[in-house]
Amino acid sequence: DTGVSQNPRHKITKRGQNVTFRCDPISEHNRLYWYRQTLGQGPEFLTYFQNEAQLEKSRLLSDRFSAERPKGSFSTLEIQRTEQGDSAMYLCASSDSFMAPHYGYTFGSGTRLTVV
Amino acid sequence: AQSVTQPDIHITVSEGASLELRCNYSYGATPYLFWYVQSPGQGLQLLLKYFSGDTLVQGIKGFEAEFKRSQSSFNLRKPSVHWSDAAEYFCAVGARSSNTGKLIFGQGTTLQVKP
Repeated sequence: DTGVSQNPRHKITKRGQNVTFRCDPISEHNRLYWYRQTLGQGPEFLTYFQNEAQLEKSRLLSDRFSAERPKGSFSTLEIQRTEQGDSAMYLCASSDSFMAPHYGYTFGSGTRLTVV
Repeated sequence: AQSVTQPDIHITVSEGASLELRCNYSYGATPYLFWYVQSPGQGLQLLLKYFSGDTLVQGIKGFEAEFKRSQSSFNLRKPSVHWSDAAEYFCAVGARSSNTGKLIFGQGTTLQVKP
């Protein structure tokens, strides 16, 4: 078990470009969460999946953002037409649905996005 | 609405000194409570959690936290700080009424350790 893996670790993109991040959760975990963390702030919830179903989305997730988890394993987060305000650390976390919500979950190391 | 307040943005302590990081929450009932630690450029590691039972909970790396319902607080403590404890610390709450596992985080407290 290698924990939650996120790729890439860093991404620099020009404003207006599309970017996609990948998250590989712990293999036996059926819940997967995406959070966004801006500088000097705590993480903010974006969305979560149970298996392949996306069950909740934050209003922070504008229509430029889309997340998928097609086979209930890895997940991708795509941002279209990036803006400078999208610059942040994007964190993925996973848990077992039996353990959530009261056991917390395991975070990946994050993908840091810089939009120039 | 749920919220978490960490009143101290930045704390500096000497190595070997005791530490207390404050966390206050706003929630209609007793939430699930967590403390996470984040080293620079890294993800978050769970230090400890409270969901029921004994209000004093023990965590990893020698940390403990005490849930005080009357004060809506969940302060993190360590009797003797090590230089490796320098990091950012986040308090978080989760709703008992929801099964989503979604967490609300505070703004974080940055801990600096002086030699």
